[in-house]
Amino acid sequence: GAGVSQSPRYKVAKRGQDVALRCDPISGHVSLFWYQQALGQGPEFLTYFQNEAQLDKSGLPSDRFFAERPEGSVSTLKIQRTQQEDSAVYLCASSTPTGNTEAFFGQGTRLTVV
Amino acid sequence: SQQGEEDPQALSIQEGENATMNCSYKTSINNLQWYRQNSGRGLVHLILIRSNEREKHSGRLRVTLDTSKKSSSLLITASRAADTASYFCATDDRWGGGNKLTFGTGTQLKVEL
Repeated sequence: GAGVSQSPRYKVAKRGQDVALRCDPISGHVSLFWYQQALGQGPEFLTYFQNEAQLDKSGLPSDRFFAERPEGSVSTLKIQRTQQEDSAVYLCASSTPTGNTEAFFGQGTRLTVV
Repeated sequence: SQQGEEDPQALSIQEGENATMNCSYKTSINNLQWYRQNSGRGLVHLILIRSNEREKHSGRLRVTLDTSKKSSSLLITASRAADTASYFCATDDRWGGGNKLTFGTGTQLKVEL
């Protein structure tokens, strides 16, 4: 596609509800990243995929967060039993796997937990 | 956790003036990148400077990198109202995997007419 696409753009969840956020990377991009951006802060790394392999999940804040990319293209970030502190913008980015290249970001999903 | 800090946190200038933002980081890096984020939108890549480069230009943007001081600066010349946004530096660290970026805290730039 023309760019990284994320859906939904906005999500309001009741505390305790499970949510699933979708990312469609740029076609052919092997690397895919999820970031979490709290209000007024810079994005913070959550997890990284190379094709379907999740190579780094060191940034996931708890075991309630789970990400997958089963066919090496679309990725889903799932948050179980959402808490108010999960409220943030979740950004997806894709890139080619070689070093010294830019990452292309989607518009993000703004999650509000009430 | 954030890699480092950006300075200033907020900057307000008049259209036509130059804007300078600084970024400090903590670890050895492969490259340093600058991104722009308009309110409520995604990040847009502006420029990438490699660890063996000291200065780079792109249009009205000039980036410098001093690896001995672990710092970088972004200069926007002849600013326009459309440059109003948050600006983030991000480092691709030497020991990280595959373009994993660590972002600074950002500088909010406001360009007034």
